[in-house]
Amino acid sequence: AQKVTQAQTEISVVEKEDVTLDCVYETRDTTYYLFWYKQPPSGELVFLIRRNSFDEQNEISGRYSWNFQKSTSSFNFTITASQVVDSAVYFCALSGGSGGYQKVTFGTGTKLQVIP
Amino acid sequence: KAGVTQTPRYLIKTRGQQVTLSCSPISGHRSVSWYQQTPGQGLQFLFEYFSETQRNKGNFPGRFSGRQFSNSRSEMNVSTLELGDSALYLCASSREPTGYQSTEAFFGQGTRLTVV
Repeated sequence: AQKVTQAQTEISVVEKEDVTLDCVYETRDTTYYLFWYKQPPSGELVFLIRRNSFDEQNEISGRYSWNFQKSTSSFNFTITASQVVDSAVYFCALSGGSGGYQKVTFGTGTKLQVIP
Repeated sequence: KAGVTQTPRYLIKTRGQQVTLSCSPISGHRSVSWYQQTPGQGLQFLFEYFSETQRNKGNFPGRFSGRQFSNSRSEMNVSTLELGDSALYLCASSREPTGYQSTEAFFGQGTRLTVV
């Protein structure tokens, strides 16, 4: 069974602060994918990043960075110098399965509020 | 390029009725996945269709069904509606099925279903 845990329900930061959103996952699959999505108030999920289980390189994209550590089954997301536009709910997700059949499991989301 | 279109955006139904939701994927995308989002259960995977075939199904009762047409448009049907079916139903489209290395999913804005 797959499980994704986002222990932080809500986080508030002041603009320009750095913030890290935690994601811990459980899976028995050896091949799997991890994702982060942003859900602004408008409702649609916006894809941020996908990582496969064989690629533990950290990634940086502008103010966003991701730290993937298989040893601790974590895939944390850091926003540097947060901005008000970063306010949203962020979901971590896991896609795994065998025989070409993949199921996607989402975490419960972390609501980030950036205060001006 | 047009994004994922979900219709209708809002829907109010009475308990016991049935409802059909529609999702038009991005042109060229052959995979459509459906998700239910509720405050209590979070984001849950319903099913995925690829080339008119259901590839995977989440843990939902048989009242939830779907199909995909030859033009990749997908419909989701919920019969005998219950109050607990009130949720935001999100659809995502991608070129290939979930989990394929090159797959990035794009989400629609969702259909907010209220069962009264």
